[in-house]
Amino acid sequence: GAVVSQHPSWVICKSGTSVKIECRSLDFQATTMFWYRQFPKQSLMLMATSNEGSKATYEQGVEKDKFLINHASLTLSTLTVTSAHPEDSSFYICSALSRGQGASDYGYTFGSGTRLTVV
Amino acid sequence: AQKVTQAQTEISVVEKEDVTLDCVYETRDTTYYLFWYKQPPSGELVFLIRRNSFDEQNEISGRYSWNFQKSTSSFNFTITASQVVDSAVYFCALISGYSTLTFGKGTMLLVSP
Repeated sequence: GAVVSQHPSWVICKSGTSVKIECRSLDFQATTMFWYRQFPKQSLMLMATSNEGSKATYEQGVEKDKFLINHASLTLSTLTVTSAHPEDSSFYICSALSRGQGASDYGYTFGSGTRLTVV
Repeated sequence: AQKVTQAQTEISVVEKEDVTLDCVYETRDTTYYLFWYKQPPSGELVFLIRRNSFDEQNEISGRYSWNFQKSTSSFNFTITASQVVDSAVYFCALISGYSTLTFGKGTMLLVSP
């Protein structure tokens, strides 16, 4: 089945630095990818939707200058947390939309997530 | 607008007990998809099932079963003879129309030996 690889699994960075998280679809082309953020014991909150070759669409309240999303190819989307601060510490998880043979046969495949800790 | 409600925040059971996780959804669209995901402590989301709005047949997969009832807008998930490895957070999710996937708040299931 469809597989999405997300790296790194965890990262610790100093306050003020930037961190890049990669999300790759391994055996399918993902024209659309999604980035979620999850705080401890909470649900997944959609941050942005990225479409290959175009600008990402950010959800209300998400700072686009802080969370840079690039979807330059059909198999790779990246999320860069710029000038990270302790409040950005969270679990980030990507998802790729995969389409099957039928018009209604599609699924969301999730990466394994990245736990970011900003110290 | 669409919404998913998982009213049970946390459920604790003893191994071998049956447990049902509730999911109630809201959408104005007639075509929609419902999902259940499992999130173990390691964090990754494990896909369990996808059901479209035109298929109300209940489904059974091993110890897992799902009861989809459009009349009550519910898509409940039952684990039979629960095991410690079933301990995780379970999310119900919905997508309809041109919207994006919306998750419920999740239900944490704790299965003790």
